[in-house]
Amino acid sequence: DAGITQSPRYKITETGRQVTLMCHQTWSHSYMFWYRQDLGHGLRLIYYSAAADITDKGEVPDGYVVSRSKTENFPLTLESATRSQTSVYFCATGGWGEQYFGPGTRLTVT
Amino acid sequence: GQNIDQPTEMTATEGAIVQINCTYQTSGFNGLFWYQQHAGEAPTFLSYNVLDGLEEKGRFSSFLSRSKGYSYLLLKELQMKDSASYLCAVREDSGGYNKLIFGAGTRLAVHP
Repeated sequence: DAGITQSPRYKITETGRQVTLMCHQTWSHSYMFWYRQDLGHGLRLIYYSAAADITDKGEVPDGYVVSRSKTENFPLTLESATRSQTSVYFCATGGWGEQYFGPGTRLTVT
Repeated sequence: GQNIDQPTEMTATEGAIVQINCTYQTSGFNGLFWYQQHAGEAPTFLSYNVLDGLEEKGRFSSFLSRSKGYSYLLLKELQMKDSASYLCAVREDSGGYNKLIFGAGTRLAVHP
């Protein structure tokens, strides 16, 4: 039982490219979340989803797009990557409190 | 708005006790959470406080004072594996919508 997985684990892309980060959970939790983690900022919420086809913005949504056609998947797309989007991205499930995080994707935009 | 403050770094000795403080300013407070994050890994849930007082879970305890906007995480009998970052997170109820706001984390180094 993998729980929550993310792919890829590491990604290097160029400025202006589109890149999609994948998140998959096996628990059938309703809520899913995307965070980015940068030194000095802690975890910041990008987008979240309360259920399939229901998504909403978090604290730092600009430059990102999400979708949730199936309960178990919650992909995050950077439409045109910028250097400021270099970060570690974590997907999580659970609720507004106790959350279960995926292993993270380390994204570098050159 | 929300503001969560934690010390950036702390050091402690194996076998000792360490207290990591967290202060917060928020409207609609609805719970405080502590997470542990080892370097290069995902955060993992440690504890939850919504009422004032101390919650004990093995070697870890968490305290909350809502009137003071203050919490601490107490780690006893420190082990080398406790070297990690500890994240304080506050759940805020803003007009029927929940938010979970994370502090920047406290990096704890345990040395022999």
